[in-house]
Amino acid sequence: SQKIEQNSEALNIQEGKTATLTCNYTNYSPAYLQWYRQDPGRGPVFLLLIRENEKEKRKERLKVTFDTTLKQSLFHITASQPADSATYLCALGGGSYIPTFGRGTSLIVHP
Amino acid sequence: DAGITQSPRHKVTETGTPVTLRCHQTENHRYMYWYRQDPGHGLRLIHYSYGVKDTDKGEVSDGYSVSRSKTEDFLLTLESATSSQTSVYFCAISPTSGTENTEAFFGQGTRLTVV
Repeated sequence: SQKIEQNSEALNIQEGKTATLTCNYTNYSPAYLQWYRQDPGRGPVFLLLIRENEKEKRKERLKVTFDTTLKQSLFHITASQPADSATYLCALGGGSYIPTFGRGTSLIVHP
Repeated sequence: DAGITQSPRHKVTETGTPVTLRCHQTENHRYMYWYRQDPGHGLRLIHYSYGVKDTDKGEVSDGYSVSRSKTEDFLLTLESATSSQTSVYFCAISPTSGTENTEAFFGQGTRLTVV
């Protein structure tokens, strides 16, 4: 069956460092992968989308990579700030697939 | 939030009663989705709609039904609420899906407690 894995343990980092979150998947051939941010008590908010034929996408301090051979996406936040603390979700979709979400990884940036 | 409203925002109901959650959008997007979010499970798709009167089941559709009689409204009904349906429910919309990939916009969520 299709499976999306995100680290269930919270990632704790110091302000100014680069945060790297991982999204792995199996039994999938997604046309695209998305990353969302979710704050407590709120709905997810879209951050970035990367297509299967793209290796890397950047937006301000955010960078996403997509390796369809490894079936993995890495999400980087450079120069992290306490305001970046949130849960980050990856979602896969495309073709006949309705977007399917991972469970998310909590990021905590310490001042 | 991108023109998407969920109601009610909070609801407490008794086991066995029917419950309807409403999702209203002002974006005229074609696709609408209902997800539930539970600790340890993340977001799971309940039902989705790809047009007026066009709906399909998601991963966890048992015990739920949906209706979409207008582009802007997508209703989720729990026919007979059970405690296992206590959750936070999110509605999402997107203009397209499938290969025409694009982002989904989420509502604020409805916290439903079944006692």
